Amino acid sequence: ETGVTQTPRHLVMGMTNKKSLKCEQHLGHNAMYWYKQSAKKPLELMFVYNFKEQTENNSVPSRFSPECPNSSHLFLHLHTLQPEDSALYLCASSQDQGRLMTQYFGPGTRLTVL
Amino acid sequence: SQQGEEDPQALSIQEGENATMNCSYKTSINNLQWYRQNSGRGLVHLILIRSNEREKHSGRLRVTLDTSKKSSSLLITASRAADTASYFCATGSGGSNYKLTFGKGTLLTVNP
Repeated sequence: ETGVTQTPRHLVMGMTNKKSLKCEQHLGHNAMYWYKQSAKKPLELMFVYNFKEQTENNSVPSRFSPECPNSSHLFLHLHTLQPEDSALYLCASSQDQGRLMTQYFGPGTRLTVL
Repeated sequence: SQQGEEDPQALSIQEGENATMNCSYKTSINNLQWYRQNSGRGLVHLILIRSNEREKHSGRLRVTLDTSKKSSSLLITASRAADTASYFCATGSGGSNYKLTFGKGTLLTVNP
């Protein structure tokens, strides 16, 4: 285990549903990340939070809404998703957003949008 | 645009053989990292090599970096069936808001 947990592990939702993904890290890190991993595509960075402040929004559609209430928790709120949003959503954390930081990943949430 | 790009996309070898994966990138980097991912799971950090380093070892792993060619290689020696996974290189850039850019990965299959 990497010290980063994600819930749920699997999620199936309709296009009109609202759901949330949760990530929690037990490593005392200050930076947290959301990535999207689709088949045949590179891992895509979505959002970065450093010391609870958003430092990166990689042109993500507004139907994805992140929330970082504290340095240990990160949420991704989902609403009116499209089938092409089906993917593995990975959360990661690092000590901070410094240059030599390695990232610790959670196991991911496999999302299917019907 | 995509930064790191691994080659080959897939590699199948027998247990005990060595596996070599390559990564090419396009712009200047602070460092380069390799990660491993078992099917449907999160990524696990393997090794980081700084831009001023040329070679680094960790157990059965050997990473090289050639900044003049903008390329890196990951060598896994004496492979085991448990090494079966996808391997990604990630290039790091940026100052205070440092971030990683990942390639598509190499799927390594080690046959027992």
